[in-house]
Order: sequence, then C-alpha cells, then structure tokens
Amino acid sequence: EADIYQTPRYLVIGTGKKITLECSQTMGHDKMYWYQQDPGMELHLIHYSYGVNSTEKGDLSSESTVSRIRTEHFPLTLESARPSHTSQYLCASSAGTARGTEAFFGQGTRLTVV
Amino acid sequence: GESVGLHLPTLSVQEGDNSIINCAYSNSASDYFIWYKQESGKGPQFIIDIRSNMDKRQGQRVTVLLNKTVKHLSLQIAATQPGDSAVYFCAETPTGNMLTFGGGTRLMVKP
Repeated sequence: EADIYQTPRYLVIGTGKKITLECSQTMGHDKMYWYQQDPGMELHLIHYSYGVNSTEKGDLSSESTVSRIRTEHFPLTLESARPSHTSQYLCASSAGTARGTEAFFGQGTRLTVV
Repeated sequence: GESVGLHLPTLSVQEGDNSIINCAYSNSASDYFIWYKQESGKGPQFIIDIRSNMDKRQGQRVTVLLNKTVKHLSLQIAATQPGDSAVYFCAETPTGNMLTFGGGTRLMVKP
C-alpha cells in the first residue's frame, strides 16, 4: 500500500467557494503530480513539482494553483469553484532519482461543484 | 462538468482468454515505461515496468513488451480473470523527467 493520502475523498461544494484539496506523502519523494480525470476518460496532468518551492503547470490548462512548501505536502487550491471544475483529482508522487521510477497514486478526490 | 479528453477504447475478452493491451508512446527519449491498472473509484496502481534496455519483462500473469523501433508498448495478461476488469494506462518517462500517461484502455472480462 502506497503512503500517499488525499483528503477529502468526496466533496460537494457550491459555486464560488474556495477549496483546497490536500495531498500528503510519507515516502520522501521529490516529485509530486496532480492529475484531473473525468469518469472513463484519460488522465490529464495539471500541475507538477520537482521539489520544495518548485511548481509547474502541466499539459492541461487549469484554473487551480498549487504550492510546495514542504516535501511531503502538495495542496491544490481553487479560488472560486465552478461546475466546470467537477471532476476527479488524483495526486501522485515519485522518487526523483536519475533513473525513472514509478509514481504512486492517492485514492483521489471526487469534486462536485453545484 | 464538461468532460476532459476522449472516451477510452474498450477491450472485451472472455474469462480465461489472454488479453493484449497496446500503447503507442511519443517520446523517443523515454527510457522507462510503466503499466498501471485503475479500478473504478480508485487511483491507478503499478502493475509492471520495463526499461529501454529490455524488450520483454514478465511478472505474475503479466508480460510487457517494448518495441523501441516503432515506439510501441504492450501488456499481455494471461488467463484473464474478472478481477482484471479495469482501465489500463501506460506511462513513459525520459530519465529524470516527469511521467507522461498514454490514453488508457478499458478491459472488460466476460464470465
């Protein structure tokens, strides 16, 4: 079982609210990722981080923002939620070694904006 | 909300048959490849990986084949079981870089 945790698992929130999706890992991994995935659809990278104080936007444009103040913590924030943000958000981490290593995923947060 | 991207292709197999799931990758600099399995309502889980200095690697009931010439990766599942029903994603990474996921295939196992 991978030591990466996402909270909450499910969130229903009203339009215009600010929300933060939490992601923590206890493996000491340098790289962390946020993916957005709709049911039955592809995984889309929206943010990633190489390490503390490093954040980059991914392939898919997103109105969310991230921060990486501590190695183990990579929260994702939506300043003003909209129904178009309804989706599943998956957090992952991997070791930042010279040779590629697998990414471990959290269970995901299913967000519904009403 | 509006769905992001394309619906995943589906592979339907009979229980007990072998399954072959294919993936085309894009970056010729990628030297590490992974197959993930994602069950409904869960995050993707690691199945098997392969490095570019190999063309075949076997696990328990699974085999990954890598053809670097045509940038093609495949996952073979022997004696497919109902518990194998899931979405399967391939992922690639050039050394030291970020993981990039392929489109994924939904495997449905008929009893």
